[in-house]
Amino acid sequence: KQEVTQIPAALSVPEGENLVLNCSFTDSAIYNLQWFRQDPGKGLTSLLLIQSSQREQTSGRLNASLDKSSGRSTLYIAASQPGDSATYLCAVSDTNAGKSTFGDGTTLTVKP
Amino acid sequence: SAVISQKPSRDICQRGTSLTIQCQVDSQVTMMFWYRQQPGQSLTLIATANQGSEATYESGFVIDKFPISRPNLTFSTLTVSNMSPEDSSIYLCSASGTAGNTIYFGEGSWLTVV
Repeated sequence: KQEVTQIPAALSVPEGENLVLNCSFTDSAIYNLQWFRQDPGKGLTSLLLIQSSQREQTSGRLNASLDKSSGRSTLYIAASQPGDSATYLCAVSDTNAGKSTFGDGTTLTVKP
Repeated sequence: SAVISQKPSRDICQRGTSLTIQCQVDSQVTMMFWYRQQPGQSLTLIATANQGSEATYESGFVIDKFPISRPNLTFSTLTVSNMSPEDSSIYLCSASGTAGNTIYFGEGSWLTVV
C-alpha cells in the first residue's frame, strides 16, 4: 500500500525567502505526482503535475522535482510572499486508474 | 482545465438524517472521485464514481453508507446516510479528463453533524 509523507508538517518563513517542501512515497512504481494548494475553507488547487517519466515541472515561482528511484519529490518556492501562505499537499497516483494517495500536507506561513 | 461545482458548500445536519452532495463538471471527464477530509487530516478516497454502473468503493467505505450516482460524464452525487457526528468532514469531488492527467477538485462540501 502506497504511503505518502510530507515534511515538515508546518513551516514559517519571512517574506522573500526561498523554501523547499518535501514529499516522500514508499512505492516508486508511480504513474504521476501532483502538488496541490489548499487555502483555509477552500478546496484544492492544482499547482504542478509531474508524470513518472519527467524529472521536474516549473510554473512561475514554483518548481517541482521528482526522483522516482528514491521515492521523493520537492516543491521549491522562490521569493516567498504572504499570499503563498496555505497548506501544500502532495498526491501520488499509483496506476492509470486516476486514484491518488495524499500526504498530510505542509502548512506554510509567510510573514510580511 | 475543468471547473467543478459542488452543492451544498456548507450544511449543518441533524444526527440520523441523510444529505446528498451534487458535483457538476463544466466539461466531459472520464473519471470522477469522491474524497473525505476529516478535521485536521488529509484526504481519503471514498470511491470512484463510474458512469452508468455501481461505484467502486475503497476499503472502509460501503455503498449503504455512501451511495453514489453518476448518470453521465459531467455529474455525480454522493449521499451521506444516517449521519453521525463522526461524519463531520469536508467532502470533495474530483475529476480527471484521462488517466495520468491533472486531477481537478471542487471547493468541497463542509458538513457538520449535530
